[in-house]
Amino acid sequence: AQKVTQAQTEISVVEKEDVTLDCVYETRDTTYYLFWYKQPPSGELVFLIRRNSFDEQNEISGRYSWNFQKSTSSFNFTITASQVVDSAVYFCALSMPSGTYKYIFGTGTRLKVLA
Amino acid sequence: GAGVSQTPSNKVTEKGKYVELRCDPISGHTALYWYRQSLGQGPEFLIYFQGTGAADDSGLPNDRFFAVRPEGSVSTLKIQRTERGDSAVYLCASSLREGHEQFFGPGTRLTVL
Repeated sequence: AQKVTQAQTEISVVEKEDVTLDCVYETRDTTYYLFWYKQPPSGELVFLIRRNSFDEQNEISGRYSWNFQKSTSSFNFTITASQVVDSAVYFCALSMPSGTYKYIFGTGTRLKVLA
Repeated sequence: GAGVSQTPSNKVTEKGKYVELRCDPISGHTALYWYRQSLGQGPEFLIYFQGTGAADDSGLPNDRFFAVRPEGSVSTLKIQRTERGDSAVYLCASSLREGHEQFFGPGTRLTVL
């Protein structure tokens, strides 16, 4: 079965703190893709990153970084020096060629950054 | 360039009525997906089009739901005999090719009274 688990329902941090959002996935496919999306209060899902199963390199983009570990089936997302504008719901998603590339989403983590 | 657009942004209807939700994908994107998002949940897949054909409709909950993409661009999701349980935000996404990231529209919030 394919599944994405985001165990953290809600996280609150104070501005400038670092925060890590966890994502654990399940699939038997060897080829798959992982994604993170941000859903701010306005509601529109914003693409953040795409990673394929053959590329375990970590990625950094400004204050955002991602840690992909196949050994633990995890694709965690860290925001460094969080800002109030980072407040949103963050979704992790999985897609596979065997599944017509449709997304399987986690339930999301609501991040609240307090000033 | 323009992103994915969806109309209407909000739709309120009565139980038993028929509704159509429209999605206009990014120009040149061949893959188009529909998802449904209930409050506090992640989006759930409904149907996938590659070009004009529905390549995967395994997510449609029952035969009241139907979608078309006659010219390989705009898609319409159709719901017959709406039920209160159909209330949700319906999201459309498109991608340049299979496996690439999907870009989402703002969604249509459907409320069935």
